[in-house]
Amino acid sequence: DTAVSQTPKYLVTQMGNDKSIKCEQNLGHDTMYWYKQDSKKFLKIMFSYNNKELIINETVPNRFSPKSPDKAHLNLHINSLELGDSAVYFCASSLMANSEKLFFGSGTQLSVL
Amino acid sequence: EDQVTQSPEALRLQEGESSSLNCSYTVSGLRGLFWYRQDPGKGPEFLFTLYSAGEEKEKERLKATLTKKESFLHITAPKPEDSATYLCAAPVGGSQGNLIFGKGTKLSVKP
Repeated sequence: DTAVSQTPKYLVTQMGNDKSIKCEQNLGHDTMYWYKQDSKKFLKIMFSYNNKELIINETVPNRFSPKSPDKAHLNLHINSLELGDSAVYFCASSLMANSEKLFFGSGTQLSVL
Repeated sequence: EDQVTQSPEALRLQEGESSSLNCSYTVSGLRGLFWYRQDPGKGPEFLFTLYSAGEEKEKERLKATLTKKESFLHITAPKPEDSATYLCAAPVGGSQGNLIFGKGTKLSVKP
């Protein structure tokens, strides 16, 4: 059983389109995250939700909107995709907001053409 | 500004050739130093957390150590399956999950 699963694995789309990435965790964790790994391989946090409540919102364009329907799911919707949005997006979860250990999904490679 | 810097960017070793990876950090009020392993096409996998200078943690052929300015990941007698990118990270802001990561060291171990 995959602990943190995200879909799709690959996403290729045109500039200007709107797309969503879904994430689910079956670990019973309270906290979930979205991280972005750019072409230079830096991993940077985008958002974090604790029990469906937004607790971290880094400097991310408004075109990115996270949604957490329940504490096991955290989806990422991106409007008006731009070339610079091409990256690998990782979902992660932790037991609580103060937990030291994050469990990451396998990533979604987004390519904007 | 909080920062985590790793060196070298890439390291090639022969099987059995021990070495160390470096992570230097400038983080105010350090609340832990984390090591993760990332395989190609996968997400990072947690290895260790170190909290105070002098602390050491071990897992199989890996040993992580921490000083007041840097952390080392020592790899003893590595095997090809140790090949991966090793990431160093530290929490910032109010949440332990809000991590700033280094760029990583890509380790290749040849048989």
